Amino acid sequence: AQTIHQWPVAEIKAVGSPLSLGCTIKGKSSPNLYWYWQATGGTLQQLFYSITVGQVESVVQLNLSASRPKDDQFILSTEKLLLSHSGFYLCAWVRDSGNTLYFGEGSRLIVV
Amino acid sequence: GDSVIQMQGQVTLSENDFLFINCTYSTTGYPTLFWYVQYSGEGPQLLLQVTTANNKGSSRGFEATYDKGTTSFHLQKTSVQEIDSAVYYCATQGGRALIFGTGTTVSVSP
Repeated sequence: AQTIHQWPVAEIKAVGSPLSLGCTIKGKSSPNLYWYWQATGGTLQQLFYSITVGQVESVVQLNLSASRPKDDQFILSTEKLLLSHSGFYLCAWVRDSGNTLYFGEGSRLIVV
Repeated sequence: GDSVIQMQGQVTLSENDFLFINCTYSTTGYPTLFWYVQYSGEGPQLLLQVTTANNKGSSRGFEATYDKGTTSFHLQKTSVQEIDSAVYYCATQGGRALIFGTGTTVSVSP
């Protein structure tokens, strides 16, 4: 089965603290992976994408970084959170040969 | 650049009403067009997609026609139910991922 899983489900973090959000996929090798961010009530903004291990392209950085340490894993992180980082972070992948995106359950972040 | 425009931010309906959500796009070539639905607290789900111009896609009672002439991909459903309350996003290909519209929140009361 092809699955995508994000962790953690939700976090409340202090301004200036570090953050790491993870995404794991199963059922396909070398998938294209994406990070999207959604402000409360806002649209989906693409942040990063990766087509292979060790390779990440930035679309909009927002003082965040991403890494792909394994074929099935995509990590979003920052060393210092800002209030503006609050929102819903979504990992997505292309499961087949087309370009349809399938999203994970999302990680909700509240920065206080 | 590529873009998607959804003019309606909010649509409020009663059950069995007709739903129509505007979407217009601006792209080069003839990309695949998508509608995604996002229920509260969840990630977006693919609702339907159409790859070929002038074709229609349908799913769960929703329909959208890829109109190359008017560059539109409006979503419609004849009779909405309360469970259709969600945010609907139109999207198109943009580079290596999808570009999403600003979303239309649909609220259906019983």
